[in-house]
Amino acid sequence: DGGITQSPKYLFRKEGQNVTLSCEQNLNHDAMYWYRQDPGQGLRLIYYSQIVNDFQKGDIAEGYSVSREKKESFPLTVTSAQKNPTAFYLCASNGQLNQPQHFGDGTRLSIL
Amino acid sequence: QKEVEQDPGPLSVPEGAIVSLNCTYSNSAFQYFMWYRQYSRKGPELLMYTYSSGNKEDGRFTAQVDKSSKYISLFIRDSQPSDSATYLCAMSEKSSASKIIFGSGTRLSIRP
Repeated sequence: DGGITQSPKYLFRKEGQNVTLSCEQNLNHDAMYWYRQDPGQGLRLIYYSQIVNDFQKGDIAEGYSVSREKKESFPLTVTSAQKNPTAFYLCASNGQLNQPQHFGDGTRLSIL
Repeated sequence: QKEVEQDPGPLSVPEGAIVSLNCTYSNSAFQYFMWYRQYSRKGPELLMYTYSSGNKEDGRFTAQVDKSSKYISLFIRDSQPSDSATYLCAMSEKSSASKIIFGSGTRLSIRP
């Protein structure tokens, strides 16, 4: 079945550590996105990519980095510079920026 | 002022009631309107997708767009406990270069 796979489902980070969240899609979508969702809050855009080897900062990019080396993959690294990383991270994709996005089931990141 | 405003709730109604969820927006260029449903610890899933004004019905769900008032609604008839979730509205402009803007979500609880 076509969809978006995020892994791992749960992730723990130690102080000073970088961690990478995986996002893979087999929908043949050009655009991919990373959002952060805090308890009881809406979606905040971290980064997005419209095409391979190109990406743009969203509203809260500080402390995060991404890469887009393949169309299917858009990994997110939460760096040690992100001082409050505990949140639910969602990856999404669509064919064009203004079309409905399809979402993965998220990765919950916590601090040890 | 946010581009898209959505009452966060929580909204609690008895089983079988008609539920009305609403969003207001400020950008008159929005043409595509979406409703997503998000269960706890899951990614949002697309429920309804409409273009411009008017109504769209899908089973127990009806999406309504009033562009003159910059107001969209989602109605749920014969509500079920399984409808308990957070509902997010989203919208975008006609231009393929325009990103989707999400509301912050309304938490809905259906009491058996």
